Amino acid sequence: DVKVTQSSRYLVKRTGEKVFLECVQDMDHENMFWYRQDPGLGLRLIYFSYDVKMKEKGDIPEGYSVSREKKERFSLILESASTNQTSMYLCASSFQGETYEQYFGPGTRLTVT
Amino acid sequence: DAKTTQPTSMDCAEGRAANLPCNHSTISGNEYVYWYRQIHSQGPQYIIHGLKNNETNEMASLIITEDRKSSTLILPHATLRDTAVYYCIVSHMDSNYQLIWGAGTKLIIKP
Repeated sequence: DVKVTQSSRYLVKRTGEKVFLECVQDMDHENMFWYRQDPGLGLRLIYFSYDVKMKEKGDIPEGYSVSREKKERFSLILESASTNQTSMYLCASSFQGETYEQYFGPGTRLTVT
Repeated sequence: DAKTTQPTSMDCAEGRAANLPCNHSTISGNEYVYWYRQIHSQGPQYIIHGLKNNETNEMASLIITEDRKSSTLILPHATLRDTAVYYCIVSHMDSNYQLIWGAGTKLIIKP
């Protein structure tokens, strides 16, 4: 079975802190994605990566950066956390050309106080 | 914005077929219909997709109307574990890697 794991299920950080969210997949997928999910707004794409060291902005990249040094790992970085970044963060992966079939991790519930 | 319209919520009795409708009247010729679901406290899970023919897999069936302006996801024998939010998404198969997610339908299976 495809497995996408995220480093934490719950995280509490303070305003201004630098936050790292890690995602690892074990299916040799080329594509990896970071979304955030908020009530009433659905899933919104923050960044995606289609290869090692490659990244593309999604719909809401402001305040975030990403890193993909290895194929299996995709990190989301909040350079200076703010309260409006309190959200559920979901990582996903897929084969290249099969974007429609994305495999999701369990999510990280981040609270910024 | 999402290109689909779904009911906000639906109920279904356990053991019955759950039929979830989706309208996508502006779908273009090379866009597919995808269905995902999200069980509470989990990430979304891919269910099925189709272009114009009906599709079936071990999880569900997808019925797409001939004009492709609407579709129905069918869970043939719903169980309590099928309680989830179901998302209908319309997109090109390689649409710049993006799936546009709407609000989905909250399906509640009742014993």
